[in-house]
Amino acid sequence: DSGVTQTPKHLITATGQRVTLRCSPRSGDLSVYWYQQSLDQGLQFLIQYYNGEERAKGNILERFSAQQFPDLHSELNLSSLELGDSALYFCASSRGLAGGEQYFGPGTRLTVT
Amino acid sequence: DAKTTQPNSMESNEEEPVHLPCNHSTISGTDYIHWYRQLPSQGPEYVIHGLTSNVNNRMASLAIAEDRKSSTLILHRATLRDAAVYYCIRTPNFGNEKLTFGTGTRLTIIP
Repeated sequence: DSGVTQTPKHLITATGQRVTLRCSPRSGDLSVYWYQQSLDQGLQFLIQYYNGEERAKGNILERFSAQQFPDLHSELNLSSLELGDSALYFCASSRGLAGGEQYFGPGTRLTVT
Repeated sequence: DAKTTQPNSMESNEEEPVHLPCNHSTISGTDYIHWYRQLPSQGPEYVIHGLTSNVNNRMASLAIAEDRKSSTLILHRATLRDAAVYYCIRTPNFGNEKLTFGTGTRLTIIP
């Protein structure tokens, strides 16, 4: 158990819909990262927040957004969903800004039908 | 982009040591080498990291070549639970915010 929690575990929704994925980092960790894992693209970094502020952006679509709240939990919002958004979404956390040692949650499996 | 090269797959017998190689010939002097693994149906798991000298922890050992252009992750006694995809990742020493995962090495453990 990494100490990172993600909800929900599974999510099935239709194209065009909007969903919110939630992540609680390990106690004491200030950085939260979001990754997407699909069969064709592998594990890809989406975005990082550090202590409530956006720190780095990766291959995140404009239809996706995220935020980190004062209690340090984070949410990833996915809107106007397409079939290609079906993937595993992982959240990870680390103590500080330098993210070499990250602890990953169990993931949320999103299926868009 | 921070590039590493790993074999696509490897097999090893249970209870034998496993050496997983990684090439990072363009590594800079301040880049760390991190290893993660991903067991089936789980999120990636941190294994070990190092900069110049060899490192040991409860999970594995990391041997880094003197020129730092390659490294080897060593599992001293493989168990079935070690079957996973292993990722070798370069991370700059200064505030790198993301992990760039390649395709990794899929390790199969033969009972």
